[in-house]
Amino acid sequence: DTEVTQTPKHLVMGMTNKKSLKCEQHMGHRAMYWYKQKAKKPPELMFVYSYEKLSINESVPSRFSPECPNSSLLNLHLHALQPEDSALYLCASSQDPDRVMYEQYFGPGTRLTVT
Amino acid sequence: AQSVAQPEDQVNVAEGNPLTVKCTYSVSGNPYLFWYVQYPNRGLQFLLKYITGDNLVKGSYGFEAEFNKSQTSFHLKKPSALVSDSALYFCAVRQYSSASKIIFGSGTRLSIRP
Repeated sequence: DTEVTQTPKHLVMGMTNKKSLKCEQHMGHRAMYWYKQKAKKPPELMFVYSYEKLSINESVPSRFSPECPNSSLLNLHLHALQPEDSALYLCASSQDPDRVMYEQYFGPGTRLTVT
Repeated sequence: AQSVAQPEDQVNVAEGNPLTVKCTYSVSGNPYLFWYVQYPNRGLQFLLKYITGDNLVKGSYGFEAEFNKSQTSFHLKKPSALVSDSALYFCAVRQYSSASKIIFGSGTRLSIRP
């Protein structure tokens, strides 16, 4: 199984709502990532989890809150978002966070619209 | 600081012709280079990577890439383009000093006309 799954595929939320994005992989990968991608732009790194611990936070606003309940799951909790947060949110995983030769496997993404 | 440049926003090729998508990089040590493809409304898919060894790397869907250290380039190539190759392509680099991070180029939109 070389798949990263993400739910939901689409999400529309108001600025006062609380919602969560979910990501799952069963490849035994020990690094998991959240990216934000705007149309026709490269993905922007938000968070990195290494061995289920948060290792990188790219100065992301606190209205985004990541969580890694176990080695297969990654969540992104959303609260009080702004319209400019509308984007495609991608989850990715790689085999070993400390080894650069491993490629990342990406999920299909969650298309988020903030109204 | 490491960086990746994709000088062409768009590349247009006729079906059956060879294609090249350009990428140049800047790193202070050994580069670890990757190509990813993204189809509309989808996540990125890994195509191929250069770690060490042979400068010509073969990947998925008939793609290959040539690593050129003197020109600091890692161009993506395919001998005969298909309409289904039309997508957004990203070159990326990783470096041991920041192993968890991957730096993406700005992307090149490849359009194959029938």
